[in-house]
Amino acid sequence: DTAVSQTPKYLVTQMGNDKSIKCEQNLGHDTMYWYKQDSKKFLKIMFSYNNKELIINETVPNRFSPKSPDKAHLNLHINSLELGDSAVYFCASSPRGGYYGYTFGSGTRLTVV
Amino acid sequence: KNEVEQSPQNLTAQEGEFITINCSYSVGISALHWLQQHPGGGIVSLFMLSSGKKKHGRLIATINIQEKHSSLHITASHPRDSAVYICAVRGDFGNEKLTFGTGTRLTIIP
Repeated sequence: DTAVSQTPKYLVTQMGNDKSIKCEQNLGHDTMYWYKQDSKKFLKIMFSYNNKELIINETVPNRFSPKSPDKAHLNLHINSLELGDSAVYFCASSPRGGYYGYTFGSGTRLTVV
Repeated sequence: KNEVEQSPQNLTAQEGEFITINCSYSVGISALHWLQQHPGGGIVSLFMLSSGKKKHGRLIATINIQEKHSSLHITASHPRDSAVYICAVRGDFGNEKLTFGTGTRLTIIP
């Protein structure tokens, strides 16, 4: 029973398309995150939601829009995909804003062609 | 310059060797995390530290808050320890995001 699950695991799409990545956690955590890992394996925070409220929004193009319908879900929508969006996207969750550690999803490898 | 620096970037060792990976940071933190990422990509949280030392099996993590430095040690290394080890720091109150190091790629040769 996966704690933080992301779908899809792999996503290959053409430039200009719009796509979504879904994330769900069954840990009862209050806070969820999206991280991007680039081709050099460097991780960087994109967004953080606490109880459906956006609390961290890093310098991310506004083509990226997170949506949290409830505190167990944080989806990532990407419009007008560009080649540079190719990366691995990780969802994570934590209780109380990370004070007690993080649980990561298995990642979604997005390839834009 | 990255706020979180790790060394070495790559490390290859023989099975059984004692391994040390270092992490230095330049910002105020509320906690430091060590993460493990295997080939295949999943990220696992190994330790969360705000002071002192923690041990889990063959893994030991230490932190020196005054020196802004942490180390991850692996005793009796094994090929299954081959992975990328990532240091991440959680900022102070009001800046609670995780900032990551660039990772250390560890390869243990049988």
